[in-house]
Amino acid sequence: NAGVTQTPKFQVLKTGQSMTLQCAQDMNHNSMYWYRQDPGMGLRLIYYSASEGTTDKGEVPNGYNVSRLNKREFSLRLESAAPSQTSVYFCATTLALANEQYFGPGTRLTVT
Amino acid sequence: LAKTTQPISMDSYEGQEVNITCSHNNIATNDYITWYQQFPSQGPRFIIQGYKTKVTNEVASLFIPADRKSSTLSLPRVSLSDTAVYYCLVGDLSGGGADGLTFGKGTHLIIQP
Repeated sequence: NAGVTQTPKFQVLKTGQSMTLQCAQDMNHNSMYWYRQDPGMGLRLIYYSASEGTTDKGEVPNGYNVSRLNKREFSLRLESAAPSQTSVYFCATTLALANEQYFGPGTRLTVT
Repeated sequence: LAKTTQPISMDSYEGQEVNITCSHNNIATNDYITWYQQFPSQGPRFIIQGYKTKVTNEVASLFIPADRKSSTLSLPRVSLSDTAVYYCLVGDLSGGGADGLTFGKGTHLIIQP
């Protein structure tokens, strides 16, 4: 039982490159979330998926897209990376919206 | 969307009880209060959640006064390993949206020997 897993753990991109961050959960949870956390700051919600087949914007969605591939997987895509997207990205899941969230280990992304 | 205010940082010593207060003056009727703990280089971890009065679990207690405009997370007999950032979140768990998913800057709690 791995809980919430994220790949990759670290990534360095050049400005303009694209990449997809992967998140998977084996907890049979319905809702999944993507957050970013900048140094010394709290987490900011990028996108969330209340259930399979639905996605909604959070506080800071610009520059990102998401896909809820199935109940287990929720990916975050950066189409054209910018230095302002340098951050740590966390995926989280809950049984239902805004219940107790379970977080993955994070992906540390640097855009140069 | 209810906004929360917490102290930026707090210090205490091993073995002491620590109380962290969160202000949420515009909390709505359907809003719940949730606290998370975050260690460096890790994702946040759920600590406790409540609606009113007092909630207690194996790691903490949550005190919520009758007007619900504030809440206090109480950590009994802290140890060095309790050094972390603590976040207070307020939101409607049944709203179907992103309410209750806003993490502020949190309170950086430092425990000294």
